[in-house]
Amino acid sequence: ETGVTQTPRHLVMGMTNKKSLKCEQHLGHNAMYWYKQSAKKPLELMFVYSLEERVENNSVPSRFSPECPNSSHLFLHLHTLQPEDSALYLCASSQATGGGRGTGELFFGEGSRLTVL
Amino acid sequence: AQKVTQAQTEISVVEKEDVTLDCVYETRDTTYYLFWYKQPPSGELVFLIRRNSFDEQNEISGRYSWNFQKSTSSFNFTITASQVVDSAVYFCAPPYGGRRALTFGSGTRLQVQP
Repeated sequence: ETGVTQTPRHLVMGMTNKKSLKCEQHLGHNAMYWYKQSAKKPLELMFVYSLEERVENNSVPSRFSPECPNSSHLFLHLHTLQPEDSALYLCASSQATGGGRGTGELFFGEGSRLTVL
Repeated sequence: AQKVTQAQTEISVVEKEDVTLDCVYETRDTTYYLFWYKQPPSGELVFLIRRNSFDEQNEISGRYSWNFQKSTSSFNFTITASQVVDSAVYFCAPPYGGRRALTFGSGTRLQVQP
């Protein structure tokens, strides 16, 4: 099993669809992250979960809804997306220390490439 | 605010050439970590190195080496005898002081031609 697994790898959806991205980590970490990577833009941090509690939400539109049911799984629920939401969505995990802070060493999945028509 | 500048947007070299990727950072923290990550075409970012701001010794790992100079706020990355498999986007992360999450700059795309 690879460390961080993301499914699906590719997703095409219409603006009225509802879909979900899934991330699973097999590293025993206690923090998980969603990043967005658009063409010609830097990686953007979207959400951070530490010990299953959302500790950071970087002004992400409500059409993106994260869920972290346990420390090994992270979802990103998508609904009524816009074409500009087309991007590579990367999940990462790490071992957070006290106060939800980390060492900065992240382990990434291969990403889910989303296309919104 | 923590900030990093990777002035080289894209670099193209021929296999076996040495290549240096520049990284200049800004921070007001006295203690921080610096990172390099690699993003191959497959998509996932791969951790390469973490350097504590107190440790200014250069580090070498195989064909990779890092030159940390606190006086010039630079943390440059050199690949010796580059190979096609080194083709990727390389990210130098802004100085990390133990916040909840790491952020990234715009990266440098390295293309190694056979």
